[in-house]
Amino acid sequence: GDSVTQMEGPVTLSEEACLTINCTYTATGYPSLFWYVQYPGEGLQLLLKATKADDKGSNKGFEATYRKETTSFHLEKGSVQVSDSAVYFCALSDFGTGFQKLVFGTGTRLLVSP
Amino acid sequence: DTAVSQTPKYLVTQMGNDKSIKCEQNLGHDTMYWYKQDSKKFLKIMFSYNNKELIINETVPNRFSPKSPDKAHLNLHINSLELGDSAVYFCASSQFLTGDYGYTFGSGTRLTVV
Repeated sequence: GDSVTQMEGPVTLSEEACLTINCTYTATGYPSLFWYVQYPGEGLQLLLKATKADDKGSNKGFEATYRKETTSFHLEKGSVQVSDSAVYFCALSDFGTGFQKLVFGTGTRLLVSP
Repeated sequence: DTAVSQTPKYLVTQMGNDKSIKCEQNLGHDTMYWYKQDSKKFLKIMFSYNNKELIINETVPNRFSPKSPDKAHLNLHINSLELGDSAVYFCASSQFLTGDYGYTFGSGTRLTVV
């Protein structure tokens, strides 16, 4: 079935550093791709999405580009803040069984220090 | 507030007990899901309902029985709880035909089996 692979964490950065969290996927069709964020003690929130190749999703200074040739959807931010500390999940929409479900990567914890 | 709400937020119970988790969404979505997040933050789909009809059952033990009285509610009943059932359970919803907009998640129910 379809799957998502994320880089292992934690990723530890100082405030204002650049962030890249790698995400690659395996899919038989043309899935939509998502990044979700989970702040401590909370549920998942949609951060950004891209629905077709070369689309760029962006939100709150984060961005990710749907790269079909490399099957990747890396998350980037130019300058992180302490408030960005959270777990980030890459996900794809899988219609393999005829019904949509989100398949998640294992999550990457980001820790930003002042 | 428009949201996906789950109750209870925390649930501590002994092995062998039966417990239920409730979920309600007022977003007008027609599809609802249960996801399980283990201690390593890995998220895996358990069930999905579309308009009260079960459409995804990811080989979850029979001790887990979802019930959807209407499209705004999806409850999860667990019989004979085991230590391995300890996890955070997330309810989510989406609009089936426009699932590319991603899911809206509840804030989770942390189940601890002792």
